[in-house]
Amino acid sequence: DADVTQTPRNRITKTGKRIMLECSQTKGHDRMYWYRQDPGLGLRLIYYSFDVKDINKGEISDGYSVSRQAQAKFSLSLESAIPNQTALYFCATSDLGTRDNEQFFGPGTRLTVL
Amino acid sequence: GNSVTQMEGPVTLSEEAFLTINCTYTATGYPSLFWYVQYPGEGLQLLLKATKADDKGSNKGFEATYRKETTSFHLEKGSVQVSDSAVYFCALTSGTYKYIFGTGTRLKVLA
Repeated sequence: DADVTQTPRNRITKTGKRIMLECSQTKGHDRMYWYRQDPGLGLRLIYYSFDVKDINKGEISDGYSVSRQAQAKFSLSLESAIPNQTALYFCATSDLGTRDNEQFFGPGTRLTVL
Repeated sequence: GNSVTQMEGPVTLSEEAFLTINCTYTATGYPSLFWYVQYPGEGLQLLLKATKADDKGSNKGFEATYRKETTSFHLEKGSVQVSDSAVYFCALTSGTYKYIFGTGTRLKVLA
């Protein structure tokens, strides 16, 4: 079984709809992250969480919110989706104890907003 | 601020050709450097890393050397295979949780 899972894998929605992307991990890591990937822009950090009570904005948090329901679960919400949020979204985790903070990525969710 | 610049792709090579993907960085302090690979339809996975100057990371025939004097971490492989076709990301962290990723370089290897 995959260590980091994301649901759904693909989603098509309309402008103005509320969307939730979910991430679960079995690695026992404290740190979780949400990124979006756009062609030519690499990965950009949306939000990150170092434990259940800790939520922090990344570089592109506008239009997004997150919830850390448990150590193993970290959800990303788009309250009112817009077309420029069409992208590939990745969840990642890392272990608090490692110096170089290697991150482990889920398979991604491809979101299309029409 | 910290940044990573990597060569634009796509890079198209024949099987068994030599591969170089350039990566240079700007960072304060002493960053750790990484190459991640993204195979089609999958998330990123760590390919190799180096945590201090002159370290060489290696994995699956790929190598990269942390060059502080040239602020570079170029990825090389002596003989690529079709199965190496993927997108490669250079990245750094500098004393914090936060990754700075390059824009990615798509590699296509032809049989």
